[in-house]
Amino acid sequence: GQQVMQIPQYQHVQEGEDFTTYCNSSTTLSNIQWYKQRPGGHPVFLIQLVKSGEVKKQKRLTFQFGEAKKNSSLHITATQTTDVGTYFCAGRFRTQGGSEKLVFGKGTKLTVNP
Amino acid sequence: NAGVMQNPRHLVRRRGQEARLRCSPMKGHSHVYWYRQLPEEGLKFMVYLQKENIIDESGMPKERFSAEFPKEGPSILRIQQVVRGDSAAYFCASSPGMNQPQHFGDGTRLSIL
Repeated sequence: GQQVMQIPQYQHVQEGEDFTTYCNSSTTLSNIQWYKQRPGGHPVFLIQLVKSGEVKKQKRLTFQFGEAKKNSSLHITATQTTDVGTYFCAGRFRTQGGSEKLVFGKGTKLTVNP
Repeated sequence: NAGVMQNPRHLVRRRGQEARLRCSPMKGHSHVYWYRQLPEEGLKFMVYLQKENIIDESGMPKERFSAEFPKEGPSILRIQQVVRGDSAAYFCASSPGMNQPQHFGDGTRLSIL
């Protein structure tokens, strides 16, 4: 079945350092979504990217969707302790039957040392 | 606007018992999704439902697990004859349409003794 590979699995940074997580798919995605899950919490939707090469920013967060719509990244500039959590990408695939399916990556767990 | 409501938040069952997890989607959302999450792992898709219909159950184990989303009332994920390996957090999400972002509930933490 379709898979979304996400790396790294864990990332530990000093407060103020930058952080990037990457997602890759072997097949073209209809769109990609990003979610954040705080420790002990539930996933919270951050953003959706639809267009090839799309770049969106939310304050210190920059989201990119690759030209081939097979990969995506989330970059956080100057991390803060409030950024701690697990970041998931979720790629939407069109199935052979014509329906669409959302597949989550395994997530990148970010810890920030104050 | 109330978000996605899941209950109970925590559920403890003994091996062989049944577990029933409930999910009320956000107002105006007719698409419901169930996921399972083990500690330190990602979200594993289980089933996708619309009112009275199962759209995709490709992630559901073939035995002991079932899901429904009746015309009235919450969506129910039912696990019969639970085993230790069923211990996990079960999240429900809802969306207004198939390709829309999903809004998650707080989850049900299921523990099997």
